[in-house]
Amino acid sequence: EAGVAQSPRYKIIEKRQSVAFWCNPISGHATLYWYQQILGQGPKLLIQFQNNGVVDDSQLPKDRFSAERLKGVDSTLKIQPAKLEDSAVYLCASSLVAARMTGELFFGEGSRLTVL
Amino acid sequence: GENVEQHPSTLSVQEGDSAVIKCTYSDSASNYFPWYKQELGKRPQLIIDIRSNVGEKKDQRIAVTLNKTAKHFSLHITETQPEDSAVYFCAAKGTSNFGNEKLTFGTGTRLTIIP
Repeated sequence: EAGVAQSPRYKIIEKRQSVAFWCNPISGHATLYWYQQILGQGPKLLIQFQNNGVVDDSQLPKDRFSAERLKGVDSTLKIQPAKLEDSAVYLCASSLVAARMTGELFFGEGSRLTVL
Repeated sequence: GENVEQHPSTLSVQEGDSAVIKCTYSDSASNYFPWYKQELGKRPQLIIDIRSNVGEKKDQRIAVTLNKTAKHFSLHITETQPEDSAVYFCAAKGTSNFGNEKLTFGTGTRLTIIP
């Protein structure tokens, strides 16, 4: 089966500019996650969707980050304006089972953001 | 919320020797503990997981042990091979303040297998 698709793979912007990342999860996966992975650290959950509803966005910096999942399939993550500390790999993941059940997360290749 | 600590941050072992990576977690209600392997520039991939109702699970050269009382779990890789070189992340799934099950990752261990 096709994996989680993300684009772009790489993006370089200057601080205060904006950027958007796109994710297409595995077909049929109800739960979609955006993780931020700063170099040398583990992935940190930014936002979790169940179908097209937000389940957890407690660690999303809402003054500059936004995310949506239209029609419960694709998702976009936007950063505006970007700061130097936003330089990281943004990983999208999806899982088959509902949020209240355990299940394997399938990750995309990630979008590497460099803010200059 | 859940806090996961992982040690060591780097580990080098001779090819053929064993490697052990340890993690502790804080939320006693956490019930699912996966391990992910991330090769350089690649996506994290699940290699093994364990649920809180078992103490040990094996899959060929990889095993995971869980001690719920002490709230720690470990990854064991035996007969290491060069392709085992990667960053390994442990994770724990507990319940967030929003009531959803949330996966919290450790900081990762960079494992290098020396030929």
